[in-house]
Amino acid sequence: AQSVAQPEDQVNVAEGNPLTVKCTYSVSGNPYLFWYVQYPNRGLQFLLKYITGDNLVKGSYGFEAEFNKSQTSFHLKKPSALVSDSALYFCAVRDMNTGFQKLVFGTGTRLLVSP
Amino acid sequence: EPEVTQTPSHQVTQMGQEVILRCVPISNHLYFYWYRQILGQKVEFLVSFYNNEISEKSEIFDDQFSVERPDGSNFTLKIRSTKLEDSAMYFCASSRSGAGGFGSTEAFFGQGTRLTVV
Repeated sequence: AQSVAQPEDQVNVAEGNPLTVKCTYSVSGNPYLFWYVQYPNRGLQFLLKYITGDNLVKGSYGFEAEFNKSQTSFHLKKPSALVSDSALYFCAVRDMNTGFQKLVFGTGTRLLVSP
Repeated sequence: EPEVTQTPSHQVTQMGQEVILRCVPISNHLYFYWYRQILGQKVEFLVSFYNNEISEKSEIFDDQFSVERPDGSNFTLKIRSTKLEDSAMYFCASSRSGAGGFGSTEAFFGQGTRLTVV
């Protein structure tokens, strides 16, 4: 079965510092991996995805993520955090070998960027 | 930029009543989904819909739930007899293609309908 783990409920970082939000996954086949962000009272906004190819994926708003197959991880990163990045971040996985469409989400990590 | 729209944004209903949540997916998308998020919990898959039929559903999606694409633009989720535990944020999503050989595109989510069952 597919699963995603986000080990941190909250990540605190000062504005201008680099940030990392962690995600590990488990699938039986090859993964499609996604990061979504949720601002208060808003829906889920797509940030970036990994399907195949280059392990470093660049996405919206300066975010990037690194796919590491040996560690089954897909950590979200940004070189310099902004206060406006404060939000709830969800990692999600889809098993491309099953043909199933559903995304399995992690529990979410709240990112708090302080001025 | 095209987006998924959901109505209403908030619905309050009495236990046992039927509710219909409405969604307009992005126009050239072929796969449609409903997810829900109980307050403070993770986002959970309910159902996916393709080619006018359910392609996949979770154990949450029991006989009380149904989905329909009544015309070329709307996609609805019906809960026949609501229970207190159905209170959640319900998200509709759509994607241009799915997994499984056609390349995978991301799902775009609507802003959600907050359902409160009292």
